[in-house]
Amino acid sequence: RKEVEQDPGPFNVPEGATVAFNCTYSNSASQSFFWYRQDCRKEPKLLMSVYSSGNEDGRFTAQLNRASQYISLLIRDSKLSDSATYLCVVPNQAGTALIFGKGTTLSVSS
Amino acid sequence: DAGVIQSPRHEVTEMGQEVTLRCKPISGHDYLFWYRQTMMRGLELLIYFNNNVPIDDSGMPEDRFSAKMPNASFSTLKIQPSEPRDSAVYFCASSLTLPVDTQYFGPGTRLTVL
Repeated sequence: RKEVEQDPGPFNVPEGATVAFNCTYSNSASQSFFWYRQDCRKEPKLLMSVYSSGNEDGRFTAQLNRASQYISLLIRDSKLSDSATYLCVVPNQAGTALIFGKGTTLSVSS
Repeated sequence: DAGVIQSPRHEVTEMGQEVTLRCKPISGHDYLFWYRQTMMRGLELLIYFNNNVPIDDSGMPEDRFSAKMPNASFSTLKIQPSEPRDSAVYFCASSLTLPVDTQYFGPGTRLTVL
């Protein structure tokens, strides 16, 4: 299994839809996880941190399944402004650096 | 507070030329990271520093790449000589106390080597 793996998409959804992305990771000892958002031609920015079973922030919910080693990101009531690439981020095996997934691209249309 | 600052934002150069990218991390952050992003390989860690000391440079692709951090507020990534395959976006990031803490990215330098 790769250190972190994501479905690249793209996910094309209408405004108001609910969409979910999954990310699998290989380091079973990982304690912290992140979702970053990257807009076209911009830098990655932190969207959410996930330290336990999950985290919720408004329309965004991140869930962690340690047994199956995957993290999901759920976006409810999608907005046009949610269009971006979402990067799943996990620590490496040694716990000394972060590994960024290649990202899942979301396109929300009106 | 100012975020991570990078310069230049865009660089176009010819093969064989020396390229120097610059970064100023967020004040008070102990860790500084250099990443390279391409469509094919995604975001790759090149090297990172803790309190100005290089800790892991295993991601540096070859000897043509070098990085320095002479003080807590400045770092450079140098490519000499540059090659077309070095074309990418280079990001600098910093984190507060741990390498696996939240990282804050600069706007990146888009490098094109002709």
